Amino acid sequence: DADVTQTPRNRITKTGKRIMLECSQTKGHDRMYWYRQDPGLGLRLIYYSFDVKDINKGEISDGYSVSRQAQAKFSLSLESAIPNQTALYFCATSDPRGNYGYTFGSGTRLTVV
Amino acid sequence: GDSVTQMEGPVTLSEEAFLTINCTYTATGYPSLFWYVQYPGEGLQLLLKATKADDKGSNKGFEATYRKETTSFHLEKGSVQVSDSAVYFCALSDSGANSKLTFGKGITLSVRP
Repeated sequence: DADVTQTPRNRITKTGKRIMLECSQTKGHDRMYWYRQDPGLGLRLIYYSFDVKDINKGEISDGYSVSRQAQAKFSLSLESAIPNQTALYFCATSDPRGNYGYTFGSGTRLTVV
Repeated sequence: GDSVTQMEGPVTLSEEAFLTINCTYTATGYPSLFWYVQYPGEGLQLLLKATKADDKGSNKGFEATYRKETTSFHLEKGSVQVSDSAVYFCALSDSGANSKLTFGKGITLSVRP
């Protein structure tokens, strides 16, 4: 099994729909992150969580929410999807200070039509 | 805030050519520096890292040296292969307790046979 598993891998949804992207990890790390990748923009941080009771906004959190259900699970929700949220979404986890690199999932490709 | 600047792409090289991808950063304190690689259709993988000045990270024939005086972490490989075709991201993680990864925009490398 992969260290970080994201579901679904691909999703097409309609404008205005609510959608949840799920992430689970087996690394045993407390820290988890959601990033969004857009061509030419690199990866931008949406939300991050340093432990189960800690949730923080990243640089582009508007339109998104998250839930940390357990140490191993971190979900990202789009309450009312819009077309400019079409992107590739990555979940990641890291050791306490991130100095050994992050482990990423394979990504969820989301298309909002 | 922290930022990472990568050279503009894309880059196209012939097999066995020498590769340099420039990366410079702005950060307070003493960040850790990373190169991540994203092969087509996959998530990001840690390629190499350096955690302090003058450290050299290396992996799969790629190298990068942490240059504090020039705030740079350029990626090099002496002889690229077709299998090196991917998107390469430079990133930094600051040294604080609340550290997060900040990415550059990424650069696409294509290697021709």
